[in-house]
Amino acid sequence: AQKITQTQPGMFVQEKEAVTLDCTYDTSDPSYGLFWYKQPSSGEMIFLIYQGSYDQQNATEGRYSLNFQKARKSANLVISASQLGDSAMYFCAMREGPGNYGQNFVFGPGTRLSVLP
Amino acid sequence: NAGVTQTPKFQVLKTGQSMTLQCAQDMNHNSMYWYRQDPGMGLRLIYYSASEGTTDKGEVPNGYNVSRLNKREFSLRLESAAPSQTSVYFCASTSGSGMGELFFGEGSRLTVL
Repeated sequence: AQKITQTQPGMFVQEKEAVTLDCTYDTSDPSYGLFWYKQPSSGEMIFLIYQGSYDQQNATEGRYSLNFQKARKSANLVISASQLGDSAMYFCAMREGPGNYGQNFVFGPGTRLSVLP
Repeated sequence: NAGVTQTPKFQVLKTGQSMTLQCAQDMNHNSMYWYRQDPGMGLRLIYYSASEGTTDKGEVPNGYNVSRLNKREFSLRLESAAPSQTSVYFCASTSGSGMGELFFGEGSRLTVL
């Protein structure tokens, strides 16, 4: 069964607008971490933001915020004030279990974001 | 400031040939991972090593073997390459502390003819 679902293969957003990239996950482990990565056309994987399952507040990192709805098992990425450089593939990922034991990391299929001038 | 280093960056193989992808990290991380990336499928875990001396299968281990040579190095071997193994391969590592995010190498593009 798919553990990470990203239902938007592609998204368009106008420059300076906000955009939400969807991610839902599936786990029965009470301890887990959720991550978002960006992959520009050059191919490298860039870590953006992290949310722990026990974190009470939604994570924020500059223009990135994570809308964490634990009961719905969703962890949507919100990018505010989009820039042309935000055009890239975005991957949602989950680590099941606490991070100090080298657990399995699983990734979703990704969403390709295109920012229009 | 190397981080995670993968070699080679590009490789073309013929069906049935063997090769090893090398990965080394200089961040003293305990855990290391090998993923393959195919269009529309995201990153799929091949094998990971929670710590030196241990390895575990991921989602797509068939056709691959791994060796955790020491804490720094984690290699991926294709014993008899098949066209279905044409992909971009990423090595990653994490300390497991703090947020525990993965740090990635630049990727290795493998083509099997």
